[in-house]
Amino acid sequence: GDSVTQMEGPVTLSEEAFLTINCTYTATGYPSLFWYVQYPGEGLQLLLKATKADDKGSNKGFEATYRKETTSFHLEKGSVQVSDSAVYFCALSDNDKIIFGKGTRLHILP
Amino acid sequence: EAQVTQNPRYLITVTGKKLTVTCSQNMNHEYMSWYRQDPGLGLRQIYYSMNVEVTDKGDVPEGYKVSRKEKRNFPLILESPSPNQTSLYFCASSSESQGRRNSPLHFGNGTRLTVT
Repeated sequence: GDSVTQMEGPVTLSEEAFLTINCTYTATGYPSLFWYVQYPGEGLQLLLKATKADDKGSNKGFEATYRKETTSFHLEKGSVQVSDSAVYFCALSDNDKIIFGKGTRLHILP
Repeated sequence: EAQVTQNPRYLITVTGKKLTVTCSQNMNHEYMSWYRQDPGLGLRQIYYSMNVEVTDKGDVPEGYKVSRKEKRNFPLILESPSPNQTSLYFCASSSESQGRRNSPLHFGNGTRLTVT
């Protein structure tokens, strides 16, 4: 069946560091891919998405590229801020099913 | 403001006492879903609904019921709660009901349930 695997956390970085959170997927069809972010005490909210191979989603300085050949959708940001501290979820949507990774907690130190 | 509203935010109850968590969305979305979030397990889907009067089991439906009598509301019912249902619950909605490939989910702020 379809699945999403993302790197385990927590990930701790200093402010202005480069961020990568890895996400790989398995799917029988051609899924859409998403990154959601969950700030403390809140629900998940969409960060970015890509709907087909080679698409790049971007928002708030974050980017992720849909790589069909490596079945990956890694999240990157060039310079993180303390306010980026949150839990990040990779997800895929395919065949009426939405599947989430287990989430990666990110701590940014000032 | 477009939103998904869950109530209550926090709930402490005892084993066996029936409870309902309400969920309402004001975006005219067809698709609604309930998830539970547990440490190390991520988000797991409990039930979902493609439209009014249409509901289906997700990955962990045991011990839960839902109903979809109106488009905007999708309550989660625990007829006889047990301690293993202690969790953080999220309601979500989306504008596409079939082949939800592109439309993102909109989440409520969660309900933290403790069953003693």
